[in-house]
Amino acid sequence: EPEVTQTPSHQVTQMGQEVILRCVPISNHLYFYWYRQILGQKVEFLVSFYNNEISEKSEIFDDQFSVERPDGSNFTLKIRSTKLEDSAMYFCASRAGRGSYNEQFFGPGTRLTVL
Amino acid sequence: QKEVEQNSGPLSVPEGAIASLNCTYSDRGSQSFFWYRQYSGKSPELIMSIYSNGDKEDGRFTAQLNKASQYVSLLIRDSQPSDSATYLCAVNGGSQGNLIFGKGTKLSVKP
Repeated sequence: EPEVTQTPSHQVTQMGQEVILRCVPISNHLYFYWYRQILGQKVEFLVSFYNNEISEKSEIFDDQFSVERPDGSNFTLKIRSTKLEDSAMYFCASRAGRGSYNEQFFGPGTRLTVL
Repeated sequence: QKEVEQNSGPLSVPEGAIASLNCTYSDRGSQSFFWYRQYSGKSPELIMSIYSNGDKEDGRFTAQLNKASQYVSLLIRDSQPSDSATYLCAVNGGSQGNLIFGKGTKLSVKP
């Protein structure tokens, strides 16, 4: 069964460093998402991506964040200058098609630890 | 601000019993509703989706939706210890399909 994959599974970085989190969405899915979950808190939407551009973003997704689909398979989230409060699980998700009815499938996540 | 509310639990049920999980949402215009299961340290795993008022059954799981009351529930029949996890209710938050999650209800099924 096709699944979303993410690398790395765990990333440790120093405050102020740049990190890139990678995702490979399910093949033939058109909509891609990043969410984060701070330990003990709820899953929060960051950004959605469709047709090679950001389609929606939350207040969390400020200028420190960017997303890219550099080729036909990868979808990346970059944090330019990490802060302590960026420590969280970051989940990538993908959805097949148009409309809000289609289900989203999540990758296993990347645990980001900012020291 | 669109909100999804869940009782955080923990909800404890004996093995073989029915577990009932509830969720309310604030946006009357929401159209898509999802239940995810999340084991500790893992990612959300989709269990059920529901879009119309009424019940939807899939194996031991039944999702119920009442749009007039802005209420979604999940019933788990014949609960097993392996069902012990946090159950997340999610509602579509916008035209691009982004999801708004509740904080989740922790379910513990005792053998």
